[in-house]
Amino acid sequence: QKEVEQNSGPLSVPEGAIASLNCTYSDRGSQSFFWYRQYSGKSPELIMSIYSNGDKEDGRFTAQLNKASQYVSLLIRDSQPSDSATYLCAVTDAAYKYIFGTGTRLKVLA
Amino acid sequence: DAGITQSPRYKITETGRQVTLMCHQTWSHSYMFWYRQDLGHGLRLIYYSAAADITDKGEVPDGYVVSRSKTENFPLTLESATRSQTSVYFCASSDDGSSGNTIYFGEGSWLTVV
Repeated sequence: QKEVEQNSGPLSVPEGAIASLNCTYSDRGSQSFFWYRQYSGKSPELIMSIYSNGDKEDGRFTAQLNKASQYVSLLIRDSQPSDSATYLCAVTDAAYKYIFGTGTRLKVLA
Repeated sequence: DAGITQSPRYKITETGRQVTLMCHQTWSHSYMFWYRQDLGHGLRLIYYSAAADITDKGEVPDGYVVSRSKTENFPLTLESATRSQTSVYFCASSDDGSSGNTIYFGEGSWLTVV
């Protein structure tokens, strides 16, 4: 069974620090990779997508993909209390079956 | 831009009753999905649809039925609700890949089976 693994946390970081969130996946055929943020009681919202090895930056967020190691990460620079949420990693293959991790809870301490 | 709307947002029902959760999207996305989210399990795929009249099972389809007669609608029916189906249900959609096949979620339907 295809799996996506994340540390459930909580990951606590002080305001202004870099938060590093990690995710591993089991299916080497995975083609697309996503990070979603989910506030308590809300639906997941897309933060970033990444499709090729390397880094992709968008504002304070950087996604990193290493297909050889089956590893994807999300860095949040200058973390803010409003970044406190659960972050979901998702992967998909060509068949459009998205597999989600259980999420990492991030707490940014003011 | 309405996006994806789900109804009802909150529902309490009794064991054995039939319940239908509605999902409507305004983007004309080809793909639509139903997920349930439970503590400790994350998001699990119930059913998905690649187009009107094409549906397929996901990871946890037992006890659920879907249909997709129109591209924009993808209702999920619990034929005979059980307490284990108490969960939050998310409908989602994605296009055919032209914009990277990102999946977008509705606001969720909170279902309690008593």
